[in-house]
Amino acid sequence: DGGITQSPKYLFRKEGQNVTLSCEQNLNHDAMYWYRQDPGQGLRLIYYSQIVNDFQKGDIAEGYSVSREKKESFPLTVTSAQKNPTAFYLCASSISTNYNEQFFGPGTRLTVL
Amino acid sequence: DAKTTQPNSMESNEEEPVHLPCNHSTISGTDYIHWYRQLPSQGPEYVIHGLTSNVNNRMASLAIAEDRKSSTLILHRATLRDAAVYYCILHSYGGSQGNLIFGKGTKLSVKP
Repeated sequence: DGGITQSPKYLFRKEGQNVTLSCEQNLNHDAMYWYRQDPGQGLRLIYYSQIVNDFQKGDIAEGYSVSREKKESFPLTVTSAQKNPTAFYLCASSISTNYNEQFFGPGTRLTVL
Repeated sequence: DAKTTQPNSMESNEEEPVHLPCNHSTISGTDYIHWYRQLPSQGPEYVIHGLTSNVNNRMASLAIAEDRKSSTLILHRATLRDAAVYYCILHSYGGSQGNLIFGKGTKLSVKP
């Protein structure tokens, strides 16, 4: 079955540590996105990538980094510079940034202890 | 992207139709109207989208006002599995970013 997978589902980290969230898609989509969701709020864009080896900052990129070395993969690193990293992180993909439908993964809930 | 306004919450009875409203008075001619929904602790799921004409698919119908300043998502027979937060989103194409701007949405509760 085609889709997007994110791992792990729950992640705990100590303050001051970097952590990497995985996102993999087998939909052959060019565009991929990372969003952050806080309780009771909508989603906010962290980074997006239109194509392999290219990515751009979204609205709240500070304290985060990404890479796009393969079409299928778009990992997100939450660095120690991110002031409030506890949140629900969602990865999505679409055929291109000009396409209507985005497909979302199940999300990773990150808690900083 | 223009802004949308939705009620914070709505209630429905199971097996009855549900009409979820969305106002978007500053919509531009190139904005598509998208609806997504998010079940608890899951990623959002695409529901439907349209530009000017009403649209139907297996999940729902989208009714768009003639002036396009408002739209309504219609679930024809609500089930308990339809309980979710529904997001109405405007999006123009042709720009490079491509992301969807999610507001707080409408939390739909379905009573048995």
